[in-house]
Amino acid sequence: AQKVTQAQTEISVVEKEDVTLDCVYETRDTTYYLFWYKQPPSGELVFLIRRNSFDEQNEISGRYSWNFQKSTSSFNFTITASQVVDSAVYFCALRGTGANSKLTFGKGITLSVRP
Amino acid sequence: KAGVTQTPRYLIKTRGQQVTLSCSPISGHRSVSWYQQTPGQGLQFLFEYFSETQRNKGNFPGRFSGRQFSNSRSEMNVSTLELGDSALYLCASSLVNSVYNEQFFGPGTRLTVL
Repeated sequence: AQKVTQAQTEISVVEKEDVTLDCVYETRDTTYYLFWYKQPPSGELVFLIRRNSFDEQNEISGRYSWNFQKSTSSFNFTITASQVVDSAVYFCALRGTGANSKLTFGKGITLSVRP
Repeated sequence: KAGVTQTPRYLIKTRGQQVTLSCSPISGHRSVSWYQQTPGQGLQFLFEYFSETQRNKGNFPGRFSGRQFSNSRSEMNVSTLELGDSALYLCASSLVNSVYNEQFFGPGTRLTVL
C-alpha cells in the first residue's frame, strides 16, 4: 500500500521568512510520481509540481523549490521569502502504477504567513 | 480555456436521501476522478473514469457510484445519505488516463447531510 506522510500539520511564519514543508512517502513501485498541490481558502486544489521517480533533479520555480531524495523517500517543498498569499493548505501526493495508480494524498500542511 | 466546473457548489440534504453531483472536465480532457475531502480523513480517492469506463475505485461503500458520459462529463451519486457523507467532493480531470499526467481540480461541491 502507498502512504504519504506530512508530519507537520500547521506552520506559521512571518512574511519574508523561508519555510520548508516536509513530505515522506512509501511505495513498493519502482515507477511512481510525486505531486504537490496548494489549496487556498477558496477550496480549489492548484497543481504545483510533478516529479517522476527517475528524476531526482531538484527544481526551482521562482520562490518555490523542491528537493526530491529517493534515499530518504522525501519530496520536500521550500518557499523562499514567503508572502501572505502563500497562506494555504499544501498537499503532497503520490501515484504509483497498476493497482497503486490512484492518487494518494498526505493529510496536508496548513501554512499561515503573517504580515 | 475554462477549468473544471462542478455543480452544484453547495448542497444540503437529509439522511436517507440521495444526491447527484456533476463535473465537467477541461475541454479535451478525457479522464475524470472524484475525491472526498473531510477534516478527519483528508482527501480520499473515490473513483476514476476514462472513456466512459471506471478504471480505478477507492475503498468506499457501494452507495457511492459514478459514471462518465461520451462527452467526458461525469456524475457521481450517493444513495441513502449518512451524516458522515458530509464533505467537500472534488472532481479532477486530466488529459488521458495516465499516471504521469497531473490532475486539475474543480472548486468542489460542499455537501451537508442533516
